[in-house]
Amino acid sequence: ETGVTQSPTHLIKTRGQQVTLRCSSQSGHNTVSWYQQALGQGPQFIFQYYREEENGRGNFPPRFSGLQFPNYSSELNVNALELDDSALYLCASSPRRGHTGELFFGEGSRLTVL
Amino acid sequence: TQLLEQSPQFLSIQEGENLTVYCNSSSVFSSLQWYRQEPGEGPVLLVTVVTGGEVKKLKRLTFQFGDARKDSSLHITAAQPGDTGLYLCAGDMGTGANNLFFGTGTRLTVIP
Repeated sequence: ETGVTQSPTHLIKTRGQQVTLRCSSQSGHNTVSWYQQALGQGPQFIFQYYREEENGRGNFPPRFSGLQFPNYSSELNVNALELDDSALYLCASSPRRGHTGELFFGEGSRLTVL
Repeated sequence: TQLLEQSPQFLSIQEGENLTVYCNSSSVFSSLQWYRQEPGEGPVLLVTVVTGGEVKKLKRLTFQFGDARKDSSLHITAAQPGDTGLYLCAGDMGTGANNLFFGTGTRLTVIP
């Protein structure tokens, strides 16, 4: 059984550019959540996808968007990058929607915006 | 403003000492989870507490959920270097919004 995998692990972008981060959920998990973790802080919920549809969104602007594919893998897209978008982006999968169950996190994609 | 405040923010102790980490909020949570995150990795779930006043033990770690389900504590007995990491509490408000609120984190260093 493979765990949650994310790519790329590190990337550097400049202000105004766009970025796509990818996540493969753990086998058998149909729910994927994305979190942003700024340096020295706890993760903040961006949104969750359940069976290819958005199932909850945190306080992030529309330039943060996502997709979930039929195999339950997911993408996070961020347009018009700003310096404050520099952070570790974590993907977590779970076997059911909602958060009373365990979240299984990937190692994250560290984005630096210059 | 963070919904869940953790204290202390940083903690450095000698191997064998005991410690307690606190997670406080003015909001009520339907459940609360504790995670540990090591450098370069994602958080790993340690425990979920659901009932007010609930106490759960995981080897040398003891977790307690406050009676009013607004706060929680993590107590580690005889800390070991392997306990080093970032400890995060995370609460589910049970609104169906699927939004897990993470605390500010406590970075623990256990010195051999």
